[in-house]
Amino acid sequence: GAVVSQHPSRVICKSGTSVKIECRSLDFQATTMFWYRQFPKKSLMLMATSNEGSKATYEQGVEKDKFLINHASLTLSTLTVTSAHPEDSSFYICSAPVPGGWNEQFFGPGTRLTVL
Amino acid sequence: GDSVTQMEGPVTLSEEAFLTINCTYTATGYPSLFWYVQYPGEGLQLLLKATKADDKGSNKGFEATYRKETTSFHLEKGSVQVSDSAVYFCALLNYGGSQGNLIFGKGTKLSVKP
Repeated sequence: GAVVSQHPSRVICKSGTSVKIECRSLDFQATTMFWYRQFPKKSLMLMATSNEGSKATYEQGVEKDKFLINHASLTLSTLTVTSAHPEDSSFYICSAPVPGGWNEQFFGPGTRLTVL
Repeated sequence: GDSVTQMEGPVTLSEEAFLTINCTYTATGYPSLFWYVQYPGEGLQLLLKATKADDKGSNKGFEATYRKETTSFHLEKGSVQVSDSAVYFCALLNYGGSQGNLIFGKGTKLSVKP
């Protein structure tokens, strides 16, 4: 069964609105979670590392004011796409390190965002 | 910078056919190499991994050997099943990078017909 969940799985919104995506670790704690973005027919690109109790670490070229990340608890990280535009339409995937695993991650099923 | 290149899909095979999905990488140092699989509607799952040259990762009948001389990590399976239909991602993680700094290929969609 899934060990990392994401909600919603699919969202359609109007341009200019904000959208929140939740990532939860199930039955284990994650002090760190990761957010990826996947464009059609392209690789997953790491956007940011979400840290419980401290600020997120963003990869180069990712706007931190655009993609707000909050690691609210040891089992929940949220990604908020603020003032969304059509170019933000994408597939967003989160992951969490496998407890005791070496450099392995559990991935969520992803969230398909479509901005009209 | 580090990168992963894998063969473009989609790949369509008949059941019991032999599968190869090519993956080559560019990296400094000694990265670890991974194959992830994404079944329809599910998250990525680790399929197999290799952490050093000449290591062979294997799982569920799939194999891949870490070839440093050719910078490759090709995925193979001798006899595919319909249930193997999924998207397969080759990825690397270089030592010294953050735990999240997996670098993925573009993914190869495999469809197996009965």
